[in-house]
Amino acid sequence: GESVGLHLPTLSVQEGDNSIINCAYSNSASDYFIWYKQESGKGPQFIIDIRSNMDKRQGQRVTVLLNKTVKHLSLQIAATQPGDSAVYFCAESQEGGYGGSQGNLIFGKGTKLSVKP
Amino acid sequence: NAGVTQTPKFQVLKTGQSMTLQCAQDMNHEYMSWYRQDPGMGLRLIHYSVGAGITDQGEVPNGYNVSRSTTEDFPLRLLSAAPSQTSVYFCASTRPGGLTEAFFGQGTRLTVV
Repeated sequence: GESVGLHLPTLSVQEGDNSIINCAYSNSASDYFIWYKQESGKGPQFIIDIRSNMDKRQGQRVTVLLNKTVKHLSLQIAATQPGDSAVYFCAESQEGGYGGSQGNLIFGKGTKLSVKP
Repeated sequence: NAGVTQTPKFQVLKTGQSMTLQCAQDMNHEYMSWYRQDPGMGLRLIHYSVGAGITDQGEVPNGYNVSRSTTEDFPLRLLSAAPSQTSVYFCASTRPGGLTEAFFGQGTRLTVV
């Protein structure tokens, strides 16, 4: 979800349901796509990443899907919990000289996830 | 390890004043970056560094200077603060070599009046 102005798109889910947060990216040259979680008053925290040559990667309770044809990235959270309430950002990065990410990230505008108990 | 430490946490400046936002990391990370975050927005890259003595511009570098004399420290300088620089500033460090996990500080909330 992309936002306009000051209002973040919001996803409201019931505790225990699955959440899907979407992101459209623009740079076809990005080598890595990453999801970050930001809780109120804190810095972003890494969740999961995926290389551009993959289309799916799973972590603990999270799955990231990459569709390069339509430049779309999604984060699926299974069995959403109140502690998952936060703003979620997708980010892109390009490969650096060491073969890994060069370390600087281009962020999307974020989606606010609200979990109802 | 303390991780990434930013100081100060809050700052109010008058237009035209200068100041330095401090960032230090104790993880021996080579990559360090500065971002700003405006209300309802994602983070935008200001400057970054791939190692001591090497810095480069990000998306929004105007009005900011950086230097990287040591691996641990990456200060951000505002030479003449403007109200448009009111924002929350985050410093991050990243270990290279296939890793995309950036470690962020707690942020500095800067208000320019």
